[in-house]
Amino acid sequence: GAVVSQHPSRVICKSGTSVKIECRSLDFQATTMFWYRQFPKKSLMLMATSNEGSKATYEQGVEKDKFLINHASLTLSTLTVTSAHPEDSSFYICSAQNGETQYFGPGTRLLVL
Amino acid sequence: GESVGLHLPTLSVQEGDNSIINCAYSNSASDYFIWYKQESGKGPQFIIDIRSNMDKRQGQRVTVLLNKTVKHLSLQIAATQPGDSAVYFCAEGGGAQKLVFGQGTRLTINP
Repeated sequence: GAVVSQHPSRVICKSGTSVKIECRSLDFQATTMFWYRQFPKKSLMLMATSNEGSKATYEQGVEKDKFLINHASLTLSTLTVTSAHPEDSSFYICSAQNGETQYFGPGTRLLVL
Repeated sequence: GESVGLHLPTLSVQEGDNSIINCAYSNSASDYFIWYKQESGKGPQFIIDIRSNMDKRQGQRVTVLLNKTVKHLSLQIAATQPGDSAVYFCAEGGGAQKLVFGQGTRLTINP
């Protein structure tokens, strides 16, 4: 139980385009989901908290207009990286809250050329 | 500010030996702690958790110990196997709280 999926697992895009990443809780409902970013050999950095039916809460320094989050249902949150640039290349990971515990997706590797 | 951190960035153990990964936290009000395992190129995988009203909790081949007096958390892995090689993160939080992750410890199992 408590399985979280992400799609796509890898994406390569051109600079200036937008990329959408989906995060789904497969066997439970999640009012709250989280989006993280991870650089190589570093810990996870929380970007935002995604709340079903309301606006996401962004961490300090994260541009909400660049990283659009939509939590349209209890099993789906999406992160859209708008006008992506090479510095946005990273490993993006989502998690979904189930009880007190967060369960993580497998991550999405984004490469912006 | 409050933080959760790990004592050692790397740890190497022989296959079959026991390993201990340590974590220090600074928020004395924290009441929930989690250990995650992250393999290369994958998302963190939940291993075990513990609440602050407990000192010890055991899972399959893993034991988490919590010492609230010195604000220390450890993860013990018994009879390590090659598949245990990964980065291990402790995290503080849970519930509606944001998780605060430690630096991470890379565990390498030597054959």
